[in-house]
Amino acid sequence: GDSVTQMEGPVTLSEEAFLTINCTYTATGYPSLFWYVQYPGEGLQLLLKATKADDKGSNKGFEATYRKETTSFHLEKGSVQVSDSAVYFCALSGGGFKTIFGAGTRLFVKA
Amino acid sequence: GAVVSQHPSRVICKSGTSVKIECRSLDFQATTMFWYRQFPKQSLMLMATSNEGSKATYEQGVEKDKFLINHASLTLSTLTVTSAHPEDSSFYICSVPRGSSYNEQFFGPGTRLTVL
Repeated sequence: GDSVTQMEGPVTLSEEAFLTINCTYTATGYPSLFWYVQYPGEGLQLLLKATKADDKGSNKGFEATYRKETTSFHLEKGSVQVSDSAVYFCALSGGGFKTIFGAGTRLFVKA
Repeated sequence: GAVVSQHPSRVICKSGTSVKIECRSLDFQATTMFWYRQFPKQSLMLMATSNEGSKATYEQGVEKDKFLINHASLTLSTLTVTSAHPEDSSFYICSVPRGSSYNEQFFGPGTRLTVL
């Protein structure tokens, strides 16, 4: 069945460092791909999405490119801030409503 | 502001009791809501789809008599964990699909259930 694998955390970075959180997926067909973020004490929020191969999703300085050839959707940000500290979930939806999530990667950004 | 609320945010109960968790869509009507369960350091696992005016659809392996879902109105779905046991302790999260496509969802803040 469909699945999502993302790098284990926690990831600890200093402010202004470059961030990469790896995400790969297994799916039949052509799923939509998402990154959700969960800030402390809050619900999940959609960060960005891509619906077809080579699409790049971007938001708040984060970006991820839908790579069909490598079945990947890595999250990147050029300069992280303390306020980016959160848990990041990679997810896919193969159609309809069923969304499959990765395990989540916790990011700590130090001032 | 939040578009999906959950109540309570935390609940501690004794083994054998039942616990009801509410999920409310604040800004729009929702004929469908989803219930997830999240164990520590693990993925969100879809438990069931709550359908307004009809029975919920449960994922494979989820006991429908254990986890009762009622979608009483277009803005409220409830999950009742019946005869709770310590292994039911978990983080329960609801979501509401976003827009005409069900691919994106608004999530509630979650409910932490601890069964003693």
